[in-house]
Amino acid sequence: DVKVTQSSRYLVKRTGEKVFLECVQDMDHENMFWYRQDPGLGLRLIYFSYDVKMKEKGDIPEGYSVSREKKERFSLILESASTNQTSMYLCASSSLKTRSGRYYNEQFFGPGTRLTVL
Amino acid sequence: AQKITQTQPGMFVQEKEAVTLDCTYDTSDPSYGLFWYKQPSSGEMIFLIYQGSYDQQNATEGRYSLNFQKARKSANLVISASQLGDSAMYFCAMRSNTGNQFYFGTGTSLTVIP
Repeated sequence: DVKVTQSSRYLVKRTGEKVFLECVQDMDHENMFWYRQDPGLGLRLIYFSYDVKMKEKGDIPEGYSVSREKKERFSLILESASTNQTSMYLCASSSLKTRSGRYYNEQFFGPGTRLTVL
Repeated sequence: AQKITQTQPGMFVQEKEAVTLDCTYDTSDPSYGLFWYKQPSSGEMIFLIYQGSYDQQNATEGRYSLNFQKARKSANLVISASQLGDSAMYFCAMRSNTGNQFYFGTGTSLTVIP
């Protein structure tokens, strides 16, 4: 069974703290993504990675950085947490490969981390 | 620029009835994929159905079907015979086949009434 795991379901941090959110997938997927989800705004892409040590900015990268040292692990870092980064963070992975001859490549999501910054 | 629009923030449907969730998209890419995801209150995102831009037939997966109208750039999700467990947020998403990035709509909250 395919799986994307995230290090924490709930996290509470203080303003100014450095925060690490970890994501691990066991599907040998090339692509990994970090989103934040806020009510009424849907999912907004923070960063994604299409290979080890490769990263690209999404729509809202400010205040965040990422690290991908191994194919299965993609970390999101909040260098100095602020209250406006209180949100649900979702990690996802997808494959470049086709499936049954079709160009599927749906994303598989982790359970999410609900981060509160006080 | 790629964009997904879901104009229905909330929808209600009677149990056992069918419901259509709207999704329109904007892209200049000739080849792309369209996805629908379900997010129950527990938070996990569940993949429901996929439609390729060159697929001749509308996709179907059990009680889910995708009403794909390419000229109108719409990809509406139809859920037949609604069940109480269908109550959730539903997100429409698109990915260009020339890139890796997915674009999501703002979601529709569906409530199934007994």
